[in-house]
Amino acid sequence: EVQLVESGGGLVQPGGSLRLSCAVSGFNFNIYFMDWVRQAPGKGLEWVGLSRNEENSYNTEYAASVRGRFTISRDDSNNLMYLQMNSLQTEDTAVYFCTREYFYGMDAWGRGTTVTVSS
Amino acid sequence: SYEVTQPPSVSVSPGETASITCSGDQLGGKHACWYQQKPGQSPVLVIYQNTRRPSGIPERFSGSSSGNTATLTISGTQAMDEADYYCQAWDSSTFVFGSGTKVTVL
Repeated sequence: EVQLVESGGGLVQPGGSLRLSCAVSGFNFNIYFMDWVRQAPGKGLEWVGLSRNEENSYNTEYAASVRGRFTISRDDSNNLMYLQMNSLQTEDTAVYFCTREYFYGMDAWGRGTTVTVSS
Repeated sequence: SYEVTQPPSVSVSPGETASITCSGDQLGGKHACWYQQKPGQSPVLVIYQNTRRPSGIPERFSGSSSGNTATLTISGTQAMDEADYYCQAWDSSTFVFGSGTKVTVL
């Protein structure tokens, strides 16, 4: 069974940092591109960024709203993906989902982890 | 930056057909896909690459695309199909989501 489990969310002050983790199981993690998507309370989905696989040099892409502040990395040997978030702002408050890419769609999603940025 | 536009809401009677549009410049060439999200749940991919349906998705869900518009069609809509639906496109090495369409089954 394909599983993606996010962790690391919590309450952080504006300007602070947080690292989210995504633990995956049930599929060959190392061959897939992986993404982070977020959803602010009561709002729609917003793509955050992606990590390509080793064959594609683990290259990353980011949404303009987080570029330069957020960094995606992965540990293929332990089936983990990370989202390092720095200089957090109140507008980063959201549920953060880890997803698996499949032909330019996201065919597997975790349950999400909640990040709240507030003083 | 690239944008896609969806109507905020669509209403449909049980058993009828619901159509949700997504508009964006040359969207037909941008690998459009569709997600269903029910309250309190994670999104589910229902259509990818404009027209392809993942395994496990009912046949009543179909997708089409032409020019600047992609369309998700739900044939024989059931009460369980009431949800928010999001389109998504790939452009210039980024993904873009639409703002979502709330489908109400009256």
